Amino acid sequence: EPEVTQTPSHQVTQMGQEVILRCVPISNHLYFYWYRQILGQKVEFLVSFYNNEISEKSEIFDDQFSVERPDGSNFTLKIRSTKLEDSAMYFCASSRQGNTEAFFGQGTRLTVV
Amino acid sequence: QKEVEQDPGPLSVPEGAIVSLNCTYSNSAFQYFMWYRQYSRKGPELLMYTYSSGNKEDGRFTAQVDKSSKYISLFIRDSQPSDSATYLCAMSPPNSGYALNFGKGTSLLVTP
Repeated sequence: EPEVTQTPSHQVTQMGQEVILRCVPISNHLYFYWYRQILGQKVEFLVSFYNNEISEKSEIFDDQFSVERPDGSNFTLKIRSTKLEDSAMYFCASSRQGNTEAFFGQGTRLTVV
Repeated sequence: QKEVEQDPGPLSVPEGAIVSLNCTYSNSAFQYFMWYRQYSRKGPELLMYTYSSGNKEDGRFTAQVDKSSKYISLFIRDSQPSDSATYLCAMSPPNSGYALNFGKGTSLLVTP
């Protein structure tokens, strides 16, 4: 069964460092998303991406964040200068169309120290 | 007022019981409704997807949407210990980048 794949599963980084989280969405999906979940809190939307551009972003997705689809399969989230409060699980998701089911990856646990 | 409200539980039921999980919401523009199951430190797993109002059944799971009351439900029949997880409701309006608004999740424990 097709699935969304995320790497790495766990990333530890020092405050101020840049991190890149990687995702391989389901192959015939056209919409891509990043969400995050701080421990004990709800899943929060960060950004959606369609047709090689951002279609919506939340207030969390400030200038420190960027997304890219560098080739036909990968979808990345970059955090330029990590802060302690960026520590969370980051989930990538994809959907075939914008109004259909969104499937999530297993997440990358980001720990900023 | 939070856009999506969900009782965090925990909810504990004996094996075989019918489980009812619920969410309320405030944004009348929401049209797409999903239920996810999340095990500890794992990604949300899609269980049910419904559009607008009505019922949808898939095996032991039934999803209901009542847009007039802004209330959605997930019923689990013949619950099993393997159903023990956190259940998240999520919803989105059309034409907004399809960003999902999640509830905080209800923790369910099914005891043998």
